[in-house]
Amino acid sequence: AQSVTQLDSQVPVFEEAPVELRCNYSSSVSVYLFWYVQYPNQGLQLLLKYLSGSTLVKGINGFEAEFNKSQTSFHLRKPSVHISDTAEYFCAGSHTGGFKTIFGAGTRLFVKA
Amino acid sequence: SQTIHQWPATLVQPVGSPLSLECTVEGTSNPNLYWYRQAAGRGLQLLFYSVGIGQISSEVPQNLSASRPQDRQFILSSKKLLLSDSGFYLCAWSAGRGEQFFGPGTRLTVL
Repeated sequence: AQSVTQLDSQVPVFEEAPVELRCNYSSSVSVYLFWYVQYPNQGLQLLLKYLSGSTLVKGINGFEAEFNKSQTSFHLRKPSVHISDTAEYFCAGSHTGGFKTIFGAGTRLFVKA
Repeated sequence: SQTIHQWPATLVQPVGSPLSLECTVEGTSNPNLYWYRQAAGRGLQLLFYSVGIGQISSEVPQNLSASRPQDRQFILSSKKLLLSDSGFYLCAWSAGRGEQFFGPGTRLTVL
């Protein structure tokens, strides 16, 4: 991907509510897309990935994302969040023929009781 | 299974002092290796990546350098630290052109 844009820097949501974290990418070639989660003072952990095939991708912890080529989007969703989902979420993309991954600026999800 | 280690976990250094951060990967061979820096509340900045021993690509001009003396070892260095070098340093590896796997990070504070 040439660029990855996360449209929200912070998303507050109540526990058990649904959430969507938005991500748009720009690329003139085929891309791989990823969502990572980062808990405080830890490294990034892969939530899910889109490499090819089905545009609806399911990941860990009940998250899923949908690759929409026409809208160049890869939004992350969860139908019911928990307090423990409070973390920073990063959308990322790489060209299918490249070594580098471009990361978005991150979205801080804050789940309130 | 593959694991990635970074040390130290935290480091406090005075301005002008040298730096050496180490990253090692276990359970895989010929990985692509990456160093990122994450400033407080910010996204990830790619500093260096390596596709093989002795092969280093630099992304951002700065007073940092990287080396890959062995297949699964990646070292980030500086001769003289600046205040602006403070941050959270993350090492990552990938098997090719797919996902990257991150280490636990090193928190560097330069005073």
